[in-house]
Amino acid sequence: EDKVVQSPLSLVVHEGDTVTLNCSYEVTNFRSLLWYKQEKKAPTFLFMLTSSGIEKKSGRLSSILDKKELFSILNITATQTGDSAVYLCAVKGRAGNMLTFGGGTRLMVKP
Amino acid sequence: GAGVSQSPSNKVTEKGKDVELRCDPISGHTALYWYRQSLGQGLEFLIYFQGNSAPDKSGLPSDRFSAERTGGSVSTLTIQRTQQEDSAVYLCASSLSEQTTNYGYTFGSGTRLTVV
Repeated sequence: EDKVVQSPLSLVVHEGDTVTLNCSYEVTNFRSLLWYKQEKKAPTFLFMLTSSGIEKKSGRLSSILDKKELFSILNITATQTGDSAVYLCAVKGRAGNMLTFGGGTRLMVKP
Repeated sequence: GAGVSQSPSNKVTEKGKDVELRCDPISGHTALYWYRQSLGQGLEFLIYFQGNSAPDKSGLPSDRFSAERTGGSVSTLTIQRTQQEDSAVYLCASSLSEQTTNYGYTFGSGTRLTVV
């Protein structure tokens, strides 16, 4: 059974801080790892990673995958209150395109 | 449509009643997924439709749960004889196809189901 574990469960920082969110996984026939941001109900797509060592970057957010050690990190620099959300990591393994999600990291950025 | 549309946005039902949740995917998306998110938890896969293929129902938690997708577009998730543990946010997502996943899924805003 595919498994995704995220840490920490929750995190409180102040604006301007840099945060690193962790995602480790065990999956049969790994195909890709995805990060989502969930503020209210609908998760919104951030990144999809398929290759080790290649950083994906979007503004203050970046992510990298290590397929040997089976983990990914999501970095957010110069955090803002608008970054407050639950960040979800998911992996795509066996055929069928469904994703296995981790439990999420709840980030709160205080002014 | 411009996005994935789900209805109703909130549903309160009495234990034992049946409920139907609707999902209208993005036009042209052949793949449609249902997930469930209990309070404070990650997303739990329920069922996946891809084109005209038989759906993958491996995530449905019991035979009280069923889903159909008519005409390859709108999907309905039905929960019969609801129980309190069915209370959750039910999220629908769609994508172009199994191969076209450069942007992952697009999720709807979900239906918050409360069974009292």
